[in-house]
Amino acid sequence: NAGVTQTPKFRVLKTGQSMTLLCAQDMNHEYMYWYRQDPGMGLRLIHYSVGEGTTAKGEVPDGYNVSRLKKQNFLLGLESAAPSQTSVYFCASSSRVQPQHFGDGTRLSIL
Amino acid sequence: KNQVEQSPQSLIILEGKNCTLQCNYTVSPFSNLRWYKQDTGRGPVSLTIMTFSENTKSNGRYTATLDADTKQSSLHITASQLSDSASYICVVSQKVRKRFGAGTRLTVKP
Repeated sequence: NAGVTQTPKFRVLKTGQSMTLLCAQDMNHEYMYWYRQDPGMGLRLIHYSVGEGTTAKGEVPDGYNVSRLKKQNFLLGLESAAPSQTSVYFCASSSRVQPQHFGDGTRLSIL
Repeated sequence: KNQVEQSPQSLIILEGKNCTLQCNYTVSPFSNLRWYKQDTGRGPVSLTIMTFSENTKSNGRYTATLDADTKQSSLHITASQLSDSASYICVVSQKVRKRFGAGTRLTVKP
């Protein structure tokens, strides 16, 4: 049982490049989330999904897009990366009543 | 201003000692409060959850308390171990929305 798996674990991009972060969960959870974690700040919600085919904006959605075509996968896209998007990105999943299960993060640096 | 404030930012204690971490929040209303442990390079893992009506919850050597009137929570760690070295994050939930504290970085030294 892998839980929540994020790929890649590390990535370095140049400003203006695009990329997609993949999150996969094997717990049949309805809800999935993308957060970013920056030094000295709490995790901030980027986008979330309450079910297959649905997505919604969180606190800091600008510059990101998401898709949930399959229940087990939640993709986070950066269309044109900016240095301000340098961060550690965490994906999480949950059922309605259970705590969020987090992946181990993707460390993204944008030069 | 963050609606969930944690103190101290960092703490160093000797193995075997006890410690208490604080979480003050202004989030209202709230449905539950959780404490998470985050090891370096890993994602957060849930330790405890408390609803509005609960004022204490234990998980092994971890005991969380909640005072909903003063909007304060604490996490007490008893007989600390080296493996307790981690960041501890307080999370206050409002239905779907969650507010995360910045965390307390705990270092346990031998």
